[in-house]
Amino acid sequence: SAVISQKPSRDICQRGTSLTIQCQVDSQVTMMFWYRQQPGQSLTLIATANQGSEATYESGFVIDKFPISRPNLTFSTLTVSNMSPEDSSIYLCSVESRTGTGEQFFGPGTRLTVL
Amino acid sequence: AQSVTQLDSQVPVFEEAPVELRCNYSSSVSVYLFWYVQYPNQGLQLLLKYLSGSTLVKGINGFEAEFNKSQTSFHLRKPSVHISDTAEYFCAVRTNDYKLSFGAGTTVTVRA
Repeated sequence: SAVISQKPSRDICQRGTSLTIQCQVDSQVTMMFWYRQQPGQSLTLIATANQGSEATYESGFVIDKFPISRPNLTFSTLTVSNMSPEDSSIYLCSVESRTGTGEQFFGPGTRLTVL
Repeated sequence: AQSVTQLDSQVPVFEEAPVELRCNYSSSVSVYLFWYVQYPNQGLQLLLKYLSGSTLVKGINGFEAEFNKSQTSFHLRKPSVHISDTAEYFCAVRTNDYKLSFGAGTTVTVRA
């Protein structure tokens, strides 16, 4: 398994501002994933972040709103830009198992509240 | 594209009673199947997975699940639940690409 940490664990922000969430993994991984979990709902994949290339975004998510960096094989950031109350969610990063068995390991999440 | 349906949004259950959480998926190709648990204010933890082979898989904390290809189901069971099993449970599917698709989740509330 992989140990994943996220910073911050939670934050309360004003609308119109931006927040950058950090994700750190204890081992080198090829792909990192960013998910959004809106209140009371399931997980939705925002994008896949590969080191050395631009992130791949899912339908409904755009780079201008959720810019992602992946400077090395153990670290990634997700920025939530120009926030509105609708962005209030838990944001989780994950990595795929290195055993090739398909499961993903998740960080503890960042709980964001936008006022 | 695959989709995952969790048939029960909420499951109340008494302590030491059995519980079953239902999951159906739609996919025309071979899949990997997973159950995750999310305890309050925490991230997701893998309970168990099905890749191939035996259709009955055992996971952590006494949970097990059975893969049924003909019914495209992967139901999760535990014969006797504890208060500490109160959590949100997610079924997930992975096909040939690397992405996971999650069901809507089932909230299990265990009462004494």
